[in-house]
Amino acid sequence: DAGVIQSPRHEVTEMGQEVTLRCKPISGHDYLFWYRQTMMRGLELLIYFNNNVPIDDSGMPEDRFSAKMPNASFSTLKIQPSEPRDSAVYFCASSLLGGSNQPQHFGDGTRLSIL
Amino acid sequence: ILNVEQSPQSLHVQEGDSTNFTCSFPSSNFYALHWYRWETAKSPKALFVMTLNGDEKKKGRISATLNTKEGYSYLYIKGSQPEDSATYLCARLYNFNKFYFGSGTKLNVKP
Repeated sequence: DAGVIQSPRHEVTEMGQEVTLRCKPISGHDYLFWYRQTMMRGLELLIYFNNNVPIDDSGMPEDRFSAKMPNASFSTLKIQPSEPRDSAVYFCASSLLGGSNQPQHFGDGTRLSIL
Repeated sequence: ILNVEQSPQSLHVQEGDSTNFTCSFPSSNFYALHWYRWETAKSPKALFVMTLNGDEKKKGRISATLNTKEGYSYLYIKGSQPEDSATYLCARLYNFNKFYFGSGTKLNVKP
């Protein structure tokens, strides 16, 4: 079975540019999560969706960040304009249903570098 | 504040050694604790899902225990092998779907 697929794997861009990260969750999973991993703060939840609807975006750092899930098989995380402090590894994860008994399945991440 | 703390930060053991590390978390309003194994340049993979006080889970040489009253979980690896080298993350469920992750214990097993 295909796992969670993220693209691109690596992105290097200049400050001020728009960055779009993409995620395809596991088919049939109802929940999709976006995380950011940095040395300072570890793995932090940015936003999660249930059945394509954003449920909690309290972790989104600023208005420069936005996320969408137009259908059950695709989500994007956009940063506009990007800044050097946005450099991090961004993970997408999905889970079947939700709640305490459901492990999250992570993609391989997108390593983002903003110059 | 839902701090999830893991100790030690890193651990170096010889092949064949048994080892354990700790995940500490606030004990109030507990829902679940998850353990993940994270190899370098790969994605975190779920190891255990633990929900009840006293839970013990085992997968091969790796096992975990949970004490929700005092707010800790232990992960044990018996007879460590080089392929066990990874970062082990724990994550506490805050509410229905929000997890707070610890910073991980990085394990290096020397052949």
